[in-house]
Amino acid sequence: NAGVMQNPRHLVRRRGQEARLRCSPMKGHSHVYWYRQLPEEGLKFMVYLQKENIIDESGMPKERFSAEFPKEGPSILRIQQVVRGDSAAYFCASSPGASGGPLRFFGPGTRLTVL
Amino acid sequence: GQQLNQSPQSMFIQEGEDVSMNCTSSSIFNTWLWYKQEPGEGPVLLIALYKAGELTSNGRLTAQFGITRKDSFLNISASIPSDVGIYFCVKGGSEKLVFGKGTKLTVNP
Repeated sequence: NAGVMQNPRHLVRRRGQEARLRCSPMKGHSHVYWYRQLPEEGLKFMVYLQKENIIDESGMPKERFSAEFPKEGPSILRIQQVVRGDSAAYFCASSPGASGGPLRFFGPGTRLTVL
Repeated sequence: GQQLNQSPQSMFIQEGEDVSMNCTSSSIFNTWLWYKQEPGEGPVLLIALYKAGELTSNGRLTAQFGITRKDSFLNISASIPSDVGIYFCVKGGSEKLVFGKGTKLTVNP
């Protein structure tokens, strides 16, 4: 059973371009969570999605960032018009449901570098 | 927002030594979690604590949930080179985990 998959593992973009980060949850998991990690920091919550629904996006920046988790296919975190401050590692995690248990399954992350 | 203070920020130890790190909070927690992150990877859950005073072990790792519910510590006994990484204390209890800044551990063989 494959774990949480993220791609690409590394992404380089120039300022003003768009970044699309993909997360495939573990098989049977219908809940996805996105976190961002700046250098020398802990992870910070961005958004929590179920299939076709955004449950909590309280950690998402108000502009340029969006997330979706369609009925079919991976979850996508989209960053429009990237700026240097968007450079970070982006992690997703998945769970089978809102069980309240601790998140055990994080992906390996996508490291975004904005030139 | 909730403040999690981890100390020390970094540790350099010799293989075989014991390690202790701790975490304090400005507010009461119902769930303390400890994660480890190795370079280039996502965090991995090590230990979950749910009750004040709870002491839980996972192999050479031991963690305790403080009586005041505002602190926790993690001990690693007889460290080995593969213990290197960043250890995060985390407020759990919901989908919105709150991470501390981490303690970076280096183990010299």
